[in-house]
Amino acid sequence: DVKVTQSSRYLVKRTGEKVFLECVQDMDHENMFWYRQDPGLGLRLIYFSYDVKMKEKGDIPEGYSVSREKKERFSLILESASTNQTSMYLCASRIGGANEKLFFGSGTQLSVL
Amino acid sequence: GEDVEQSLFLSVREGDSSVINCTYTDSSSTYLYWYKQEPGAGLQLLTYIFSNMDMKQDQRLTVLLNKKDKHLSLRIADTQTGDSAIYFCAEGGGNKLTFGTGTQLKVEL
Repeated sequence: DVKVTQSSRYLVKRTGEKVFLECVQDMDHENMFWYRQDPGLGLRLIYFSYDVKMKEKGDIPEGYSVSREKKERFSLILESASTNQTSMYLCASRIGGANEKLFFGSGTQLSVL
Repeated sequence: GEDVEQSLFLSVREGDSSVINCTYTDSSSTYLYWYKQEPGAGLQLLTYIFSNMDMKQDQRLTVLLNKKDKHLSLRIADTQTGDSAIYFCAEGGGNKLTFGTGTQLKVEL
């Protein structure tokens, strides 16, 4: 089975801190994604990457950056965390082919105080 | 941009059928998907339908697609307590999927 692992289940950070959220997948997938999930808003795409060192902005990239130095790892960076970035963050990777199945990690609940 | 809408809550009795509805705006979507999120977990793909199909059945799950009205539904027959979860509809093609707000399904005994 494909495994998408997010390094932390819960994180608590202070306003202004630099925050790194890590995601690793073990199936050699080309594409990786970062979403945030908020009640009543569903999932919103922050950034995605379709290859090493490649990245594209999603719908809500402001306040975030990403890094993909190795194929298996995709990091989300909050340069200066703010309270409105308190959310559940979900990483996903994509299998190639016609059905575009996304495999999700179990999420990181980030609280910014 | 693309928009996908769902009602937020649905409550059914165990053994009844559940119907979760979704409307979307992007008529160029290649595939439409249903994902399930159990408490404390990420999303898992339940089923999907290609945009040139009207219906797809997979065991207890039936997906209906009305392209004219841009309406997608998921029917779960004989709903069980293990079906309690948040269900997300998603549409897309290429690299990007647009997700709905999610429907919280509660199954009562």
